[in-house]
Amino acid sequence: AQSVTQPDIHITVSEGASLELRCNYSYGATPYLFWYVQSPGQGLQLLLKYFSGDTLVQGIKGFEAEFKRSQSSFNLRKPSVHWSDAAEYFCAVGGNTGGFKTIFGAGTRLFVKA
Amino acid sequence: DVKVTQSSRYLVKRTGEKVFLECVQDMDHENMFWYRQDPGLGLRLIYFSYDVKMKEKGDIPEGYSVSREKKERFSLILESASTNQTSMYLCASRRQGAEGYTFGSGTRLTVV
Repeated sequence: AQSVTQPDIHITVSEGASLELRCNYSYGATPYLFWYVQSPGQGLQLLLKYFSGDTLVQGIKGFEAEFKRSQSSFNLRKPSVHWSDAAEYFCAVGGNTGGFKTIFGAGTRLFVKA
Repeated sequence: DVKVTQSSRYLVKRTGEKVFLECVQDMDHENMFWYRQDPGLGLRLIYFSYDVKMKEKGDIPEGYSVSREKKERFSLILESASTNQTSMYLCASRRQGAEGYTFGSGTRLTVV
């Protein structure tokens, strides 16, 4: 079955500290992987995506993610968090199985403390 | 700036009403989607459309229908609103194939 697991419901980090949000997926074919961010009361915005090639992908707002096929993971990282990064983050997987439908994780809410 | 526009940010409707949620995109995208978002459940796919006049059921289509008469517009219809349809509804679009979505800002629907 296709699924996405974000093990952490919420995470709190200090401003300026590094961040890693975890994502594990289950997908029967070559996965296409995404991270989205949602600010309160808003829709989701695409941060970055991985389709193929270099397993370390760079996104907007200083985020990066690394695809590890052996671990079925696609963790999101940022070296130094800013207060404006406080939001909810969603990992998602899609591909050419099921007509490119995308499956979302339940989300991780990030709190940033001063 | 390209965008997906949802007609209402907030709606309050009564049980049993027929409710229309409208979504318009200006990117000439083939694919459009309706999700609902509930705390702890993430995003769940209601319906999607690969092209004009085409529609496919998602994971939770019961109690909903959709219409796509023009490429840019994808409407979600609650045939007879119920309180368990109180939720945030998100519309998204993308080009054909494996691409990321562009989301609208969402419609928070409350059914009383």
